[in-house]
Amino acid sequence: AAGVIQSPRHLIKEKRETATLKCYPIPRHDTVYWYQQGPGQDPQFLISFYEKMQSDKGSIPDRFSAQQFSDYHSELNMSSLELGDSALYFCASSPGTGGYEQYFGPGTRLTVT
Amino acid sequence: GIQVEQSPPDLILQEGANSTLRCNFSDSVNNLQWFHQNPWGQLINLFYIPSGTKQNGRLSATTVATERYSLLYISSSQTTDSGVYFCAVMSSGGSYIPTFGRGTSLIVHP
Repeated sequence: AAGVIQSPRHLIKEKRETATLKCYPIPRHDTVYWYQQGPGQDPQFLISFYEKMQSDKGSIPDRFSAQQFSDYHSELNMSSLELGDSALYFCASSPGTGGYEQYFGPGTRLTVT
Repeated sequence: GIQVEQSPPDLILQEGANSTLRCNFSDSVNNLQWFHQNPWGQLINLFYIPSGTKQNGRLSATTVATERYSLLYISSSQTTDSGVYFCAVMSSGGSYIPTFGRGTSLIVHP
């Protein structure tokens, strides 16, 4: 069965640079969630999209933005990177919002030096 | 927002032992999932269980929504069960913001 695809899997950036993470949801899933997981922490919800519109917002810094495109893939744009942005970034998709099971991608490991 | 508490925070078992992990939540939910994060960082779906009981092999889960808790049972544990187990919920109060617990870190020794 098709799974959630994230790219790149690993990314190394320097402080103050920008990064773009991509997420391709499971086919026919219209909802995408983004999470940030720091070392030894639980995943923290950043932002979600339903049918290409922003649905809910969590603890996403103003330096980050995201969108969902017409083909339902989503991109998380991160600017003015800081050392504290080093983390595992997950994307998850579901066939709707709320009472639907989320399926997680393998994650993108971002290291900021 | 909704609060999620998992217990115990850490658990060390010998292979073959059974265990029960608990997830308490502070509000009614319309979505509850259990995940296993393996040592490579992958988040693996175990159960989608906002209410009721489910079983999958050596694992089973029960959510008592009216009392705001869920239990994950692991029987005959194996070394491959090692990792962190997370409970994640969404409140039924209108927003669809997922909230994770802090997880239970499980180590199974051979």
